[in-house]
Amino acid sequence: SQTIHQWPATLVQPVGSPLSLECTVEGTSNPNLYWYRQAAGRGLQLLFYSVGIGQISSEVPQNLSASRPQDRQFILSSKKLLLSDSGFYLCAWLSRGHEKLFFGSGTQLSVL
Amino acid sequence: GDSVTQMEGPVTLSEEAFLTINCTYTATGYPSLFWYVQYPGEGLQLLLKATKADDKGSNKGFEATYRKETTSFHLEKGSVQVSDSAVYFCALSPPYNFNKFYFGSGTKLNVKP
Repeated sequence: SQTIHQWPATLVQPVGSPLSLECTVEGTSNPNLYWYRQAAGRGLQLLFYSVGIGQISSEVPQNLSASRPQDRQFILSSKKLLLSDSGFYLCAWLSRGHEKLFFGSGTQLSVL
Repeated sequence: GDSVTQMEGPVTLSEEAFLTINCTYTATGYPSLFWYVQYPGEGLQLLLKATKADDKGSNKGFEATYRKETTSFHLEKGSVQVSDSAVYFCALSPPYNFNKFYFGSGTKLNVKP
């Protein structure tokens, strides 16, 4: 069966520090992969999605970047975090043919 | 652009009450529509979906009907349980790019015994 791993579960970082969040998927090949952010009191915002290795689509220009170095690995990064980067970050993969997103358990990022 | 608007929460109901959570969308053409649920401390999981006008999605006693004329996809359940307490998200996938999924702001449901 397919599983999605996302880590860390919580992260506290100072303003100006770098960020690297990792997401890996098991049990499927060539999935679509997604990064969403859920800010306090707000809905899910689509940040990036990827349909294949090295292919990244950015939805919102911002302080973050994404990379897909391997088929089942999706990384969210920042060189210098801002206070506004705080939020709950969710990784997801798409079951093609079923239009069903499977979400990881999320990373709660607090930038102080 | 494509977007989803949900009623603001929280919604507080007693057990066995009738539930409606409103969702309307803005999109060109015929998007696919979804309801996802997020239980405390967990990621989101698909609750139900509908891919064309007049389709009804259903799961675990929840239902939603794709209404093109009112651009709506309201979530309903006839009798809620305490275990239904969660945050519910309406979402759409546009017909021009099924790789994308746009979510509403979420509606928190509290069910009291």
